[in-house]
Amino acid sequence: AQSVAQPEDQVNVAEGNPLTVKCTYSVSGNPYLFWYVQYPNRGLQFLLKYITGDNLVKGSYGFEAEFNKSQTSFHLKKPSALVSDSALYFCAVRRWSNTGKLIFGQGTTLQVKP
Amino acid sequence: GAGVSQSPRYKVAKRGQDVALRCDPISGHVSLFWYQQALGQGPEFLTYFQNEAQLDKSGLPSDRFFAERPEGSVSTLKIQRTQQEDSAVYLCASSSARGGAVEQFFGPGTRLTVL
Repeated sequence: AQSVAQPEDQVNVAEGNPLTVKCTYSVSGNPYLFWYVQYPNRGLQFLLKYITGDNLVKGSYGFEAEFNKSQTSFHLKKPSALVSDSALYFCAVRRWSNTGKLIFGQGTTLQVKP
Repeated sequence: GAGVSQSPRYKVAKRGQDVALRCDPISGHVSLFWYQQALGQGPEFLTYFQNEAQLDKSGLPSDRFFAERPEGSVSTLKIQRTQQEDSAVYLCASSSARGGAVEQFFGPGTRLTVL
């Protein structure tokens, strides 16, 4: 069975500091991994994805994520947080298949304080 | 349109009523997904269409839930005899490929409240 865990319900960081939002996954075979961000009363916005190749992937708004196969992790990072980064972040995994359905974690609220 | 649109954005139904939720995917996207997001939770998969064919409906919670995409574009999620546990945000997403690794683009969702 596929699953995603986001161990932190909330992450608090000061503006200008680096941030990390953690994600671990469980899936048979090679995973496709995604990060989405959700602002209040809006749908999910795609940030970045890992498919294959370089373990460090770069995405929108200065975010990046590192794929670690041995630790089955895909942590989201940003070198310098902005107040506007405050939102709800979801990690998702997908096993190659014809359906392509995403399995989401429960989400992590990022709070960036001035 | 520029993105995925959903209507209505908000729906209040009395228990036992039928509701229909509409999704307009990005033009040309062959894949369409429905997800259910309960309060404080991540989205959960309901069903998947490739063009007009419903290839996966394993996530539909009961036979009260029904989805269609008759012409391979607009999709409707119908819930019959709504129950309080159906209260959630229903998200629609589309993608340009049949499978593979392309990302899904999400609409703003329909918030359903069942009284």
